[in-house]
Amino acid sequence: ETGVTQSPTHLIKTRGQQVTLRCSSQSGHNTVSWYQQALGQGPQFIFQYYREEENGRGNFPPRFSGLQFPNYSSELNVNALELDDSALYLCASSLEPGLVKNIQYFGAGTRLSVL
Amino acid sequence: AQTVTQSQPEMSVQEAETVTLSCTYDTSESDYYLFWYKQPPSRQMILVIRQEAYKQQNATENRFSVNFQKAAKSFSLKISDSQLGDAAMYFCAYNYGGSQGNLIFGKGTKLSVKP
Repeated sequence: ETGVTQSPTHLIKTRGQQVTLRCSSQSGHNTVSWYQQALGQGPQFIFQYYREEENGRGNFPPRFSGLQFPNYSSELNVNALELDDSALYLCASSLEPGLVKNIQYFGAGTRLSVL
Repeated sequence: AQTVTQSQPEMSVQEAETVTLSCTYDTSESDYYLFWYKQPPSRQMILVIRQEAYKQQNATENRFSVNFQKAAKSFSLKISDSQLGDAAMYFCAYNYGGSQGNLIFGKGTKLSVKP
């Protein structure tokens, strides 16, 4: 167990809907990164939050947005869901960003299915 | 752009035998870390081993060791005395730090262990 928890574990939405995924980071970690893992693929970086500010984004459209709270937990919001958004969404927490040696500790993910 | 390539979609090994998973990467950075993560059916990414680019000595963690060839940009994982619990997806990942330190993953190798 890494101490990173995600909720819900699985959810089903229909195209056009909005969804919010949640992540509680490991104690002492102030950085949260979100990844999308499509079936049969490696995780792709969505964005990272550090001390409640977005600290970088991968190649994802603006309908993917996030928040980080003072306790360093985080949310991932996806608007106007598309079928291709069906994937496993992973959250990872770590210490200060930009330090090469930092290990990212992952949660078990949320499986999103868009019908 | 940094890329990570895993050329073996699936591998199989007999219990108690040794298996090597391959990974190559492309980068122009000089300071970076390489990781092997294990993703069992429970979905949670678990860090197996990491290697700092500046260290010539190959990393070792119990039955897991790497063969890091910096000039060739190769980073293979050797699993000795394979156990049934080693069956999982294995992802090679790269992190150069920068302002974010996000991980770049390969597509993964599915390892099966035969009793």
